[in-house]
Amino acid sequence: EPEVTQTPSHQVTQMGQEVILRCVPISNHLYFYWYRQILGQKVEFLVSFYNNEISEKSEIFDDQFSVERPDGSNFTLKIRSTKLEDSAMYFCASTPGDSPLHFGNGTRLTVT
Amino acid sequence: GENVEQHPSTLSVQEGDSAVIKCTYSDSASNYFPWYKQELGKRPQLIIDIRSNVGEKKDQRIAVTLNKTAKHFSLHITETQPEDSAVYFCAGRSIQGGKLIFGQGTELSVKP
Repeated sequence: EPEVTQTPSHQVTQMGQEVILRCVPISNHLYFYWYRQILGQKVEFLVSFYNNEISEKSEIFDDQFSVERPDGSNFTLKIRSTKLEDSAMYFCASTPGDSPLHFGNGTRLTVT
Repeated sequence: GENVEQHPSTLSVQEGDSAVIKCTYSDSASNYFPWYKQELGKRPQLIIDIRSNVGEKKDQRIAVTLNKTAKHFSLHITETQPEDSAVYFCAGRSIQGGKLIFGQGTELSVKP
């Protein structure tokens, strides 16, 4: 069964540094998402992406965040200047449309 | 804004007993309600979902009920087993390809 893949599985960075989290959604899916989960808390929506543009974003997704689909397969989340509170598990997800979301295994981001 | 409330936050049952987790949602336009199981350090995995044109859906030991009038839906797990121990999240979505809004999660512990 095809899966959403995310790299790296764990990223450690210093406060103020830029990080790029990478995702390869399932190939025939049209809608892509980033979610965040702080340890022990709920899964929080960050941004959705469809037809090569952001379709919706949450209050968390401020000017420090950006997303890109640089080619036909990758979907990236960039945090420009990381803060301690950005430490969390970041999940990428995709769906063909009116179907369940498929989540990747996540990237654990640790900001020191 | 949209909100999904979930309770209880923790639930402990004896093996073989039933477990019930309840969620309410605020957006009356919500029409799709998945349930995810998340084991420690892993991604959320879909276990069952229900759409607003259906009142109940069952898959082996798992069932979900939906009351659109009251805007609440519930997960029922019968004959619980220790491997059912995990965090369970409910979620809601109002449009095709739209964001999922997650509940706060229920940590289910099944004691052998």
